[in-house]
Amino acid sequence: GESVGLHLPTLSVQEGDNSIINCAYSNSASDYFIWYKQESGKGPQFIIDIRSNMDKRQGQRVTVLLNKTVKHLSLQIAATQPGDSAVYFCAGPGGADGLTFGKGTHLIIQP
Amino acid sequence: DAGITQSPRHKVTETGTPVTLRCHQTENHRYMYWYRQDPGHGLRLIHYSYGVKDTDKGEVSDGYSVSRSKTEDFLLTLESATSSQTSVYFCAIRRISGNTIYFGEGSWLTVV
Repeated sequence: GESVGLHLPTLSVQEGDNSIINCAYSNSASDYFIWYKQESGKGPQFIIDIRSNMDKRQGQRVTVLLNKTVKHLSLQIAATQPGDSAVYFCAGPGGADGLTFGKGTHLIIQP
Repeated sequence: DAGITQSPRHKVTETGTPVTLRCHQTENHRYMYWYRQDPGHGLRLIHYSYGVKDTDKGEVSDGYSVSRSKTEDFLLTLESATSSQTSVYFCAIRRISGNTIYFGEGSWLTVV
């Protein structure tokens, strides 16, 4: 089955800088990935997804890059703001619910 | 927002007592899920449902049961709560057209 994992449990960035959160996956046949944001005391929120026939997808201030050669994806957040402080995790195909979740990277914003 | 309401949002209960968590959705989604989230383990699937009276076990189903007698309600029951079931529980839905799972706001359960 698929496994997905984040590279760092914690990432600290300066407000206004760009943030890059990385995720690796194991199954080269995986055809979609999803990024979630979870703020303290709340449920995970969908941010953006990408299908395997794409290398890049952009949303509002976020970009997801998919490198199928090395089975790696990243979430880039432009001009990081205090409201971006949260745990971010990736998810890929797998499991009875159709998704396998990574454990998360805690993004800390320094003023 | 996927129209999911969980209740109660916070509960403290004693070991050995039964507990039922309710998930209510207003958008007629067919697929519903219950997860628990614990430090170091991430999100783990407890039970799921593909429709009324159609439920199945996830990876951590021991000690839990579910029922879905109406499309809009998915109930999670801890028959006899244990301290290891202290956790945050999330209900979720999947829209029939996609892969993304959408989560509710969570129910914080403490078993003392």
